[in-house]
Amino acid sequence: DSGVTQTPKHLITATGQRVTLRCSPRSGDLSVYWYQQSLDQGLQFLIQYYNGEERAKGNILERFSAQQFPDLHSELNLSSLELGDSALYFCASSEQSSYNEQFFGPGTRLTVL
Amino acid sequence: ELKVEQNPLFLSMQEGKNYTIYCNYSTTSDRLYWYRQDPGKSLESLFVLLSNGAVKQEGRLMASLDTKARLSTLHITAAVHDLSATYFCAVAEYGNKLVFGAGTILRVKS
Repeated sequence: DSGVTQTPKHLITATGQRVTLRCSPRSGDLSVYWYQQSLDQGLQFLIQYYNGEERAKGNILERFSAQQFPDLHSELNLSSLELGDSALYFCASSEQSSYNEQFFGPGTRLTVL
Repeated sequence: ELKVEQNPLFLSMQEGKNYTIYCNYSTTSDRLYWYRQDPGKSLESLFVLLSNGAVKQEGRLMASLDTKARLSTLHITAAVHDLSATYFCAVAEYGNKLVFGAGTILRVKS
């Protein structure tokens, strides 16, 4: 158990809908990262937040957004969902913004029907 | 743009045998990570390699890093069934963004 928690574990929804994935980092970690894992794209970095502020952005679609709250938990919002958004979404956390090992949560499996 | 290539992508080996997984990356980086993933599970950190020539060992797994060649290896010694999993290398880009290889699916046959 890495100490990173994610909810829900599974999410099944329909195309066009909007969902919110939640992540709580390890105690004391200030940085949160979101990654998407799919069969065709592999593991891809989406976005990083550090102490409430966006720090780095990767291949995140405009339909996706994220934020980190004052208590350091983070939410990833996915809207106008398409079949291709079906994937495993991981959250990871680290102590600082750089040069620290990332610890991964259990993931949220999103299925868009 | 940083690219990370792993090979082989699939490895079927007999128990007791040795093998090596290779991870090449395209641009300079000072940090490389190896992760293990069991089917449907999260990523488990195996090794953190921070400098040229770094070598780390844990049980039957040994990882090394050659930053000049932009190459890391994960060596498996005397494989056992419990090592069956998917292994990823990941290279840190600017800040702490990780770029992952495609993963190596390892199947150890008894």
